[in-house]
Amino acid sequence: GNSVTQMEGPVTLSEEAFLTINCTYTATGYPSLFWYVQYPGEGLQLLLKATKADDKGSNKGFEATYRKETTSFHLEKGSVQVSDSAVYFCALIPYSGGYQKVTFGTGTKLQVIP
Amino acid sequence: EAGVTQFPSHSVIEKGQTVTLRCDPISGHDNLYWYRRVMGKEIKFLLHFVKESKQDESGMPNNRFLAERTGGTYSTLKVQPAELEDSGVYFCASSRKTDTQYFGPGTRLTVL
Repeated sequence: GNSVTQMEGPVTLSEEAFLTINCTYTATGYPSLFWYVQYPGEGLQLLLKATKADDKGSNKGFEATYRKETTSFHLEKGSVQVSDSAVYFCALIPYSGGYQKVTFGTGTKLQVIP
Repeated sequence: EAGVTQFPSHSVIEKGQTVTLRCDPISGHDNLYWYRRVMGKEIKFLLHFVKESKQDESGMPNNRFLAERTGGTYSTLKVQPAELEDSGVYFCASSRKTDTQYFGPGTRLTVL
């Protein structure tokens, strides 16, 4: 079946540090890959996505590259801010030709300290 | 354009009681999904509607859970009777056809 594995948190970084949250996946075919973010007290928001191999998704300074050869979609940001503190979920939607059921990772909590 | 809305934001009930969660999708989105995150674990799929029809309810835990989407607009998810293990955050999402799913803020359910 489909699965997403992401690094366990919590991750604590100082402001302006470099961030990497690892994510690997198992899926048949060519899934679309996503990062969702949940800020404290809020719902899930789509952060970025990539729909095919070698695509790079980017938003708000975050980037992730769809690596089919390593089945990975690691999230990176060059300089984190306190406002980036949130829970980050890696996710996939398998290519099915029909409806799409999202498979999520367990989430990684990021805390950025001043 | 208004996003996906869910009501209530938080519900605290006792074991054995009934709770009904509501989701209003983005206008024009035929696809509506329910997901659940229990005890800090991964977010898991519950079921999927296309308009008023259930396309996939393979993720529904048991027959204590009943989802409806009368008229193909908003959806309700009823838990009756609620058990302790039903506690968690229930998310609703909607999408056009096979586009990206947009999630609501979630309903935090606590069963005591």
